[in-house]
Amino acid sequence: QKEVEQDPGPLSVPEGAIVSLNCTYSNSAFQYFMWYRQYSRKGPELLMYTYSSGNKEDGRFTAQVDKSSKYISLFIRDSQPSDSATYLCASEGGTSYGKLTFGQGTILTVHP
Amino acid sequence: DAGITQSPRHKVTETGTPVTLRCHQTENHRYMYWYRQDPGHGLRLIHYSYGVKDTDKGEVSDGYSVSRSKTEDFLLTLESATSSQTSVYFCATSGGRHEQFFGPGTRLTVL
Repeated sequence: QKEVEQDPGPLSVPEGAIVSLNCTYSNSAFQYFMWYRQYSRKGPELLMYTYSSGNKEDGRFTAQVDKSSKYISLFIRDSQPSDSATYLCASEGGTSYGKLTFGQGTILTVHP
Repeated sequence: DAGITQSPRHKVTETGTPVTLRCHQTENHRYMYWYRQDPGHGLRLIHYSYGVKDTDKGEVSDGYSVSRSKTEDFLLTLESATSSQTSVYFCATSGGRHEQFFGPGTRLTVL
């Protein structure tokens, strides 16, 4: 079993929809959680970074971590075609301090 | 991009040949990482460095070696390339260990 699991999708939504992207993790020691966005044939870029449980909001993006259920979420409000990309969740902590463990990535398409 | 460049950006090579990929950063970040990205596996850590001449293995280090003689450069070497090492390779850097910034990637094909 992978330490971080992510449904690869693909996920297709209409413009303006609220998108929910999710990951689960198994390592209780993970304390740092990130979401990366990767456009086709580009490197991943950091979107959101959270520590421990709770919510963090940045514009149209909200990251949510529930450590009790080991669940990580990213919500995108008012989705735009420019949000079409692969979204990767990543976690770090415990003995893997300094080393990120990534989910497979979810392919998102927002159509006009 | 946090001032990260990778070279070459594309390479085609033959099985059994040595290959070296270079990562160069201008951010003076202490930590540097090499990942490979494959369909169905996401990003997997190959090796990482926590300072000049200080390196350690990641999840998929077999068949790879690294060197870091200067803060700004981190080299990944495939001593004898195999077809299973066909992949997209990403370098990443971090100044504070948690947030990592990625380069544009190197697409390697081993025939």
